[in-house]
Amino acid sequence: LAKTTQPISMDSYEGQEVNITCSHNNIATNDYITWYQQFPSQGPRFIIQGYKTKVTNEVASLFIPADRKSSTLSLPRVSLSDTAVYYCLVVNYGGSQGNLIFGKGTKLSVKP
Amino acid sequence: DAGITQSPRHKVTETGTPVTLRCHQTENHRYMYWYRQDPGHGLRLIHYSYGVKDTDKGEVSDGYSVSRSKTEDFLLTLESATSSQTSVYFCAIREGTGMNTEAFFGQGTRLTVV
Repeated sequence: LAKTTQPISMDSYEGQEVNITCSHNNIATNDYITWYQQFPSQGPRFIIQGYKTKVTNEVASLFIPADRKSSTLSLPRVSLSDTAVYYCLVVNYGGSQGNLIFGKGTKLSVKP
Repeated sequence: DAGITQSPRHKVTETGTPVTLRCHQTENHRYMYWYRQDPGHGLRLIHYSYGVKDTDKGEVSDGYSVSRSKTEDFLLTLESATSSQTSVYFCAIREGTGMNTEAFFGQGTRLTVV
């Protein structure tokens, strides 16, 4: 079971780009890398997922190097409403596996 | 919206009593999950299910049991509640395949054991 390591907390200011890096040295061939966002008193919400290279959607970008041992979530021009906890997961969706292990996440604080 | 409903939303119970939390989904998803969330611990997986009567343990399964007798319901039972099980409990379902897979969470159940 691949484990992930990410910073406990990060601070940023409105309008800045924020990059959160996650390490997953033991990632397996069939694993995907996925990120979730959680606001206080709510369940996590899916942000983005990738397997290799770069993935971009309307919310964020995900950069994955060739060795896939790390990944970086990039949030462009953050606002106060991006203050949340961000979780990096490595998941194998095959067969009866697919348990989603969240860890402690990175608490992002965006200041005015 | 993946149609997930958790019940109850809030519960206060006494130490030693049994408690059952219910997660209900309306879209026949195969995978369902129970998590607990405590300050300083992030989100921890208790049990998950990959089909009717198919369940497996997660990271913190001691003191908890689950049942899934039909696709739409995943029940989490605390056989004898303890104060250490005071927490916020989240249920989730998994939707999609491969790169299009994502999880959707319920609103959470705040359980207090006194």
